[in-house]
Amino acid sequence: DTAVSQTPKYLVTQMGNDKSIKCEQNLGHDTMYWYKQDSKKFLKIMFSYNNKELIINETVPNRFSPKSPDKAHLNLHINSLELGDSAVYFCASSHGTSAYNEQFFGPGTRLTVL
Amino acid sequence: AQKVTQAQTEISVVEKEDVTLDCVYETRDTTYYLFWYKQPPSGELVFLIRRNSFDEQNEISGRYSWNFQKSTSSFNFTITASQVVDSAVYFCALSEAAAAGNKLTFGGGTRVLVKP
Repeated sequence: DTAVSQTPKYLVTQMGNDKSIKCEQNLGHDTMYWYKQDSKKFLKIMFSYNNKELIINETVPNRFSPKSPDKAHLNLHINSLELGDSAVYFCASSHGTSAYNEQFFGPGTRLTVL
Repeated sequence: AQKVTQAQTEISVVEKEDVTLDCVYETRDTTYYLFWYKQPPSGELVFLIRRNSFDEQNEISGRYSWNFQKSTSSFNFTITASQVVDSAVYFCALSEAAAAGNKLTFGGGTRVLVKP
């Protein structure tokens, strides 16, 4: 029944490793997003995809690469992890790219880089 | 550039007290949308309300009410007769119609602690 799901929920890894976070939505939406929430709870958009096409690409290091195999999935791959990448990463989805449409968020993935 | 400011970082109240969360925004767009999201201790983000820039009517939903004032660029949120379950971080957010995609800009959040 979960609308937007993310795996894993927790991810602990060493600096320099490469890791992926997966996101799936079953709401029939065509637009998906990745947000980063830092330790001070500040939320900032990273990427947005509409129908598998990149729409928003904020100032994010090249080590972060989103991939959308289809409209229902948006994965986030991170290369050469750094301490500063530790955060909670939220996936979200919406119907279309209109500013009117509310976004539905996944439960978040807490990434800890040691 | 769009910006959302939530000046209150944390508010602590005793159950049944009312609590008002302030939100001030900046935008050059004439058409925009304002949102409130709740993040309970479990961590997920829950959509509460959306308001468009042309609709300044206040809204009430149960114990929640929202006051949108374009003249002061504010979209404040009041919880009436607070309950322990209202303890959470509340985020105000802005989305501009003219911006590419549906980019939500969040305020820094206000943590509400309701004590029994």
